[in-house]
Amino acid sequence: DIQMTQSPSTLSASVGDRVTITCRASQTTGAWLAWYQQKPGRAPRLLIYKASNLESGVPSRFSGSGSGTEFTLTISSLQSDDFATYYCQQYSSFPLTFGGGTKVELK
Amino acid sequence: EVQLVESGGDLVQPGGSLRLSCAASGFTFSNYWMTWVRQTPGKGLEWVANIGQDGGEENYVDSVKGRFTISRDNAKNSLYLQMNSLRAEDTAVYYCARSTGWRTYSDYWGQGTQVTVSS
Repeated sequence: DIQMTQSPSTLSASVGDRVTITCRASQTTGAWLAWYQQKPGRAPRLLIYKASNLESGVPSRFSGSGSGTEFTLTISSLQSDDFATYYCQQYSSFPLTFGGGTKVELK
Repeated sequence: EVQLVESGGDLVQPGGSLRLSCAASGFTFSNYWMTWVRQTPGKGLEWVANIGQDGGEENYVDSVKGRFTISRDNAKNSLYLQMNSLRAEDTAVYYCARSTGWRTYSDYWGQGTQVTVSS
């Protein structure tokens, strides 16, 4: 199975900050990577697919980059609605696997 | 509007069985692969299984193979997960999700249903 490792596990930031989350895969996944946002008690929401493609309706302050084994999710200017937990997911091979999550909290 | 509503979660004893359901609306159900994902506080998100548009293909994570069966009824716009020989480690919130293809991400998720396996 492909192991996905996210860092940091927790990130403290302020509104307006630029935030970067990293996701590393134990083997190459090409560009077959998605990012999700999850708020407490809610289902995950798709943000990014195929490493850098913004899902419809997602604000443009979110962006994704990377390929192979290293990927990043960037929030260009953190908004109050963005405090949540973020997960990466590889879909290069079965079983599809998720990273452990990065919680973005208020500094 | 795409809606996915899970049901069937419950408290069940180890070794027991449970059947989860997911009612889909707002899209042409038979055109999409469908997926079950579970989440625990300790292990995070875990992809469990998916099924093709006509139910002809299924894929499972190793930890549930032989115990869980995913199925669908396109006439009823419904997805199911039959869970047998349940273990404590199957305790989780189970999400139903729509997928855009055979081996790909999920673009819509339900709100989840809690399964607790305990004596």
